[in-house]
Amino acid sequence: DAEITQSPRHKITETGRQVTLACHQTWNHNNMFWYRQDLGHGLRLIHYSYGVQDTNKGEVSDGYSVSRSNTEDLPLTLESAASSQTSVYFCASSESINGFGYTFGSGTRLTVV
Amino acid sequence: EDQVTQSPEALRLQEGESSSLNCSYTVSGLRGLFWYRQDPGKGPEFLFTLYSAGEEKEKERLKATLTKKESFLHITAPKPEDSATYLCAVQDNSKLTFGKGITLSVRP
Repeated sequence: DAEITQSPRHKITETGRQVTLACHQTWNHNNMFWYRQDLGHGLRLIHYSYGVQDTNKGEVSDGYSVSRSNTEDLPLTLESAASSQTSVYFCASSESINGFGYTFGSGTRLTVV
Repeated sequence: EDQVTQSPEALRLQEGESSSLNCSYTVSGLRGLFWYRQDPGKGPEFLFTLYSAGEEKEKERLKATLTKKESFLHITAPKPEDSATYLCAVQDNSKLTFGKGITLSVRP
């Protein structure tokens, strides 16, 4: 069965370190998204991609970067982790950009100490 | 800027006590309104998509409806297993904008 997987599920890192969160999907979806979820804010879009070599900034992109070298993967990098980036991160993919819902991964809980 | 407001923030029901969750939205051009269910420690799970005012969709004890300014998720005779956070999202152009969610607790 097709799926979308995130790794690791949990991570603790120190302030200032570079961290990469993995997202891998086997749906063959062109569209992939990264969200963060915090109490009181709901899901907020960090970065998204409509296909290989395409990346775009979302509403909370500062301090994050993504790259898309193939259809299956969209890794999220925190360049220099900050305590404000402690959050739960969700990756999602979709078949089409119009009118289709997203399929979400199970999330990565990141703690920056 | 797209905005999505969900109310109430939290809702506690007795098993069998029907109720509705509200999602109010402002969007320049609605391509779809989505409802998701999220269980603790998991990613959101897709429930419904609504595309135009007057549209309704049902799944087991859930029914979603849409007007030009809001959507309702009606829960009929809920069971404890319906306890979860319910997220509403709107899509214009390509991206989804989410509300903060409604946490539903159903007591046996």
